[in-house]
Amino acid sequence: AQSVTQLDSHVSVSEGTPVLLRCNYSSSYSPSLFWYVQHPNKGLQLLLKYTSAATLVKGINGFEAEFKKSETSFHLTKPSAHMSDAAEYFCVVRPNQGGKLIFGQGTELSVKP
Amino acid sequence: ETGVTQSPTHLIKTRGQQVTLRCSSQSGHNTVSWYQQALGQGPQFIFQYYREEENGRGNFPPRFSGLQFPNYSSELNVNALELDDSALYLCASSKTGVQGTDTQYFGPGTRLTVL
Repeated sequence: AQSVTQLDSHVSVSEGTPVLLRCNYSSSYSPSLFWYVQHPNKGLQLLLKYTSAATLVKGINGFEAEFKKSETSFHLTKPSAHMSDAAEYFCVVRPNQGGKLIFGQGTELSVKP
Repeated sequence: ETGVTQSPTHLIKTRGQQVTLRCSSQSGHNTVSWYQQALGQGPQFIFQYYREEENGRGNFPPRFSGLQFPNYSSELNVNALELDDSALYLCASSKTGVQGTDTQYFGPGTRLTVL
């Protein structure tokens, strides 16, 4: 069965410090992996995606993620947090070329001034 | 390029009623997927429509049904509403071709409250 586990339900950082949001996946196939961000009362915005090309994926707003098959991980990082990064972040797996997306439970990122 | 739009933004219904939610897909996209996001949870896949046919379904009862129109827009219908149907309903559009379904882009959602 395909699944996604986000290891932290809440992460708090200070502005200007690095961000690390952790995600592990389980998939029988070579999956496509995504990170989406959701600001309060908003829809989901795509941050970045991995689809079996380069293992280090760069996204919008300075975020990047590294696909590590041996660790079945796809952690999201950013070198320096900004106040506007405060939001809910979802790690997502698409097990095959079909449309179904499987979401993790989400990680709420708080950024302190 | 027009993004994914959904209507209405908010809706309040009572138990037992029926509701229809609407989604217009992004220009150039031919596939629509629907998700339910309960408070504090990640979105759950309801179903996907491609070429006006249901093309995959999650673990939702038959009272959740949908339609896709020739212009690729879509409707989600829920009959016999229950309190647990209160959630944010998200529509995502994408392009399906010979390589499969591409990245899904989400609309702002419809917040449904069932009293």
